[in-house]
Amino acid sequence: DSGVTQTPKHLITATGQRVTLRCSPRSGDLSVYWYQQSLDQGLQFLIQYYNGEERAKGNILERFSAQQFPDLHSELNLSSLELGDSALYFCASSSRARGGADTQYFGPGTRLTVL
Amino acid sequence: AQTVTQSQPEMSVQEAETVTLSCTYDTSESNYYLFWYKQPPSRQMILVIRQEAYKQQNATENRFSVNFQKAAKSFSLKISDSQLGDTAMYFCAFMPAYSGAGSYQLTFGKGTKLSVIP
Repeated sequence: DSGVTQTPKHLITATGQRVTLRCSPRSGDLSVYWYQQSLDQGLQFLIQYYNGEERAKGNILERFSAQQFPDLHSELNLSSLELGDSALYFCASSSRARGGADTQYFGPGTRLTVL
Repeated sequence: AQTVTQSQPEMSVQEAETVTLSCTYDTSESNYYLFWYKQPPSRQMILVIRQEAYKQQNATENRFSVNFQKAAKSFSLKISDSQLGDTAMYFCAFMPAYSGAGSYQLTFGKGTKLSVIP
């Protein structure tokens, strides 16, 4: 158990819908990263937050957004869902001060299926 | 931008034997971190081992060790005394040690599927 929690574990929804994925980092970790794992694209970085502020964006679609709350949990919002958004979404956290380089520990992931 | 290449999509090894998974990377950074993560059928991403580029000594964690060749930009993972529980996808990943933009995301390879045969 990495100490990172993600809910829900599975999500099945229809095209055009909106969903919210939730992540709670390890106790004390200020940095949260979101990754998408799909069969064709592999593991891709989406977005990073540090202590409530957005730090970096990767290959994140405009239909996707995220935020990190004062209690440090983070939510990834996916809207106008398409079949191609079906994937495993991971959250990871790290503890380095000022959001520097450090080992990232991954949550169990949320498997999203868009029908 | 960094790239990570794992040239072996699938490998198999007999239980109790030793296997080596290959990884090469490309970067202009002088200092960075390299990782191996394991993803068993449960889909959980589990850290196996970490190597700091400035350290010449190869990292070791129990039955797992790496061969880090900085000049060749090579980072292979050796698993000794393979066990059935080692059956998983193994991902090699790169992280810069410094980022002016404050971004420390991992760049992953495509993965190697390892099967341990009883």
